[in-house]
Amino acid sequence: DSGVTQTPKHLITATGQRVTLRCSPRSGDLSVYWYQQSLDQGLQFLIHYYNGEERAKGNILERFSAQQFPDLHSELNLSSLELGDSALYFCASSVGVERDGTGELFFGEGSRLTVL
Amino acid sequence: GQNIDQPTEMTATEGAIVQINCTYQTSGFNGLFWYQQHAGEAPTFLSYNVLDGLEEKGRFSSFLSRSKGYSYLLLKELQMKDSASYLCAVRRLILTGGGNKLTFGTGTQLKVEL
Repeated sequence: DSGVTQTPKHLITATGQRVTLRCSPRSGDLSVYWYQQSLDQGLQFLIHYYNGEERAKGNILERFSAQQFPDLHSELNLSSLELGDSALYFCASSVGVERDGTGELFFGEGSRLTVL
Repeated sequence: GQNIDQPTEMTATEGAIVQINCTYQTSGFNGLFWYQQHAGEAPTFLSYNVLDGLEEKGRFSSFLSRSKGYSYLLLKELQMKDSASYLCAVRRLILTGGGNKLTFGTGTQLKVEL
């Protein structure tokens, strides 16, 4: 158990819909990262938040947005869903910004999204 | 941008040694990581290199050559439970925003056979 909690574990929805994925980082971790993993691609970095502020952005679609709240939990919002958005969405946390040091990321179990 | 290459699949025998290679191209290099991921599960951290050389951790070792943009993960005394995907990940220093961008390769699927 990494200490990172993601909900829901599984989600099935239809094209055009909107979903929210939730992540609670490990106790004391200030950084939260979101990754998307689909079958034909590796882990794709979406976005990084540190203590409530956006710090780095990957190839995150405009239909997707995220935020980190004062209690440090984070939500990833996916809207106007398309079939291609079906994937495993991972949240990871770390203590700080980790520009130095091992920078180990602790991953949650993921939220499996299926868009029909 | 970043480019990370690693073999798609490898097969090895229980008890043997296997080396998984990773080559990368990036600006602002700030560390290379190896993660293990079993099917349908979360990735778990294995090792970290930021300076050239070998880091040993039990049955697992990782090597880095920054000048060559090359790393390898060495797994000794292979066990069946080592069958998993091994992800090479490169961390890049983000000067603006102070963020941390860890980019993963597509992973090497290792199959350990009897």
